[in-house]
Amino acid sequence: LAKTTQPISMDSYEGQEVNITCSHNNIATNDYITWYQQFPSQGPRFIIQGYKTKVTNEVASLFIPADRKSSTLSLPRVSLSDTAVYYCLVGDIGDNQGGKLIFGQGTELSVKP
Amino acid sequence: EPEVTQTPSHQVTQMGQEVILRCVPISNHLYFYWYRQILGQKVEFLVSFYNNEISEKSEIFDDQFSVERPDGSNFTLKIRSTKLEDSAMYFCASSEREYGYGYTFGSGTRLTVV
Repeated sequence: LAKTTQPISMDSYEGQEVNITCSHNNIATNDYITWYQQFPSQGPRFIIQGYKTKVTNEVASLFIPADRKSSTLSLPRVSLSDTAVYYCLVGDIGDNQGGKLIFGQGTELSVKP
Repeated sequence: EPEVTQTPSHQVTQMGQEVILRCVPISNHLYFYWYRQILGQKVEFLVSFYNNEISEKSEIFDDQFSVERPDGSNFTLKIRSTKLEDSAMYFCASSEREYGYGYTFGSGTRLTVV
């Protein structure tokens, strides 16, 4: 499983766009990139998943450059309720390892008024 | 939106006692998991379960732990002879398919061993 590196913490203000970058230099050909969000005392929540280029859903966008050695989660116009820990995970959907997720420390995003 | 339901939300137990944490996964999901998070630390994988058997387990998941799907809806984690260091949030999760996509976590059970 590819190791990921992301900032420990980030600060932002309401209404701003937040971009969280994750490095995964050893990503394998079959690996997908998945982001989760976790609020205090709650379970992680799936945000978005992608393989290459750009993926967008109602919550966020995920930008993946051609070399796939990094990815950027973009949260448009954040609000106070987006204050959470954001995790970047990389792994192979079909690796027959039971689908376990390996979480790092994540990025603690703090949104201020 | 379908949810993974965990009970109880908080459990306090004495050291050495057995506890059973319960989970109701999303009904059409096939893969089930337990994770734990010690306060201030990372979310850690414990075990995955598919087709009524364990698919993979971590080093943490030793003989003290067991999982069961006693019927078509419940998924349980049993911890025997609890220790102080078992105090953590325990999260159940389920998914339609392996790895990442569409994983849904429950809100967790906070286990406190005293």
